[in-house]
Amino acid sequence: DQQVKQNSPSLSVQEGRISILNCDYTNSMFDYFLWYKKYPAEGPTFLISISSIKDKNEDGRFTVFLNKSAKHLSLHIVPSQPGDSAVYFCAVLKGNAGNMLTFGGGTRLMVKP
Amino acid sequence: DAMVIQNPRYQVTQFGKPVTLSCSQTLNHNVMYWYQQKSSQAPKLLFHYYDKDFNNEADTPDNFQSRRPNTSFCFLDIRSPGLGDAAMYLCATRRGGGVTDTQYFGPGTRLTVL
Repeated sequence: DQQVKQNSPSLSVQEGRISILNCDYTNSMFDYFLWYKKYPAEGPTFLISISSIKDKNEDGRFTVFLNKSAKHLSLHIVPSQPGDSAVYFCAVLKGNAGNMLTFGGGTRLMVKP
Repeated sequence: DAMVIQNPRYQVTQFGKPVTLSCSQTLNHNVMYWYQQKSSQAPKLLFHYYDKDFNNEADTPDNFQSRRPNTSFCFLDIRSPGLGDAAMYLCATRRGGGVTDTQYFGPGTRLTVL
């Protein structure tokens, strides 16, 4: 029973273009959403987050959009850079669950020079 | 400067031979987590400590245990590893207090079971 799904296992984008990574969740009680980035041989690192009371959060080249009615989360990276090539995990948090993160399966982003 | 350190980075053990994975942190965080990540899957929470309080996920096998002797260190013990326990094991920490505090992950230990 996957509560968080990333339906695209991989995505290839040209340098300078926009990368859009998608995530769907099933539980409307989730109230905090995060994106983590993982390079090979390293642990995931926090990238950006959004609270359920917002529909957009922006940090430099990274913007996260939340569509609560569709239970859909997306991460936009623009412009994409080769150093952005990594696996991106979305994660959800239920506020009263002691910061228990539930992760999606990840999307491998490849940004081609 | 490494903040969450996991040793060893690669561990090979034999079927049924107990193994211990180590995690240490320099952040003085209250909360420490252990996740299991199998190939091409999401990291899955096994258990966590809030200070000395241990919290086991309902579906974590009995074969997996953990110890936290002090704030800085946390160990994952696998009593009788099976082939299905081969995975990347990730340790993470969180300051605690704020429910949305960021979790900081270590680089992981890749466990191979022969």
